[in-house]
Amino acid sequence: DVKVTQSSRYLVKRTGEKVFLECVQDMDHENMFWYRQDPGLGLRLIYFSYDVKMKEKGDIPEGYSVSREKKERFSLILESASTNQTSMYLCASSLFRGVTQSSYEQYFGPGTRLTVT
Amino acid sequence: AQSVTQLDSHVSVSEGTPVLLRCNYSSSYSPSLFWYVQHPNKGLQLLLKYTSAATLVKGINGFEAEFKKSETSFHLTKPSAHMSDAAEYFCVVSDRFYGGATNKLIFGTGTLLAVQP
Repeated sequence: DVKVTQSSRYLVKRTGEKVFLECVQDMDHENMFWYRQDPGLGLRLIYFSYDVKMKEKGDIPEGYSVSREKKERFSLILESASTNQTSMYLCASSLFRGVTQSSYEQYFGPGTRLTVT
Repeated sequence: AQSVTQLDSHVSVSEGTPVLLRCNYSSSYSPSLFWYVQHPNKGLQLLLKYTSAATLVKGINGFEAEFKKSETSFHLTKPSAHMSDAAEYFCVVSDRFYGGATNKLIFGTGTLLAVQP
């Protein structure tokens, strides 16, 4: 089974702090994703990576950055945390299957609930 | 652009009665569609997916969904609800992304299913 783990289940940080959220997958997947989940808004894509050191912006990248130095690890960084970044953060990974297929299911970690005070 | 609309934010059923969670999609080409489930304080789990094969898709835990192109719908059903089905359910459409390097999942806003004893 694919396993996606996230470094913390719950995190409390102060406004202005630099925050690191870590995600690790154990299935050699090429693609990794960071989402935030807010009530009534579903999941929104922050950033994704399709290869080591490669990253692309999602729908809401402002205030975030990412790092992928190793294939199995994808980090989300909040450079200066703000209260509006209080949310549930979900990491996911998927296997690249080539441009002819669009049915890429994603495998999710358990989430990190971040509170910024 | 692809999008999904989940028509009910909350659905409540009695244990043993049928479940219907409604989803409509918008897509400019033949889409891939998914249903994910999220139990409280857990990550998202894939229930089932449609990838242009059979229009009636069977998933885990007795759930199934039918792709109806003429109605642009992908409703999730289960003949008999169980208490353990209480969770949030997300309808998801897949969009092509960045020249096919990967796909982008576009999430609905979720339907919270309550199961009464």
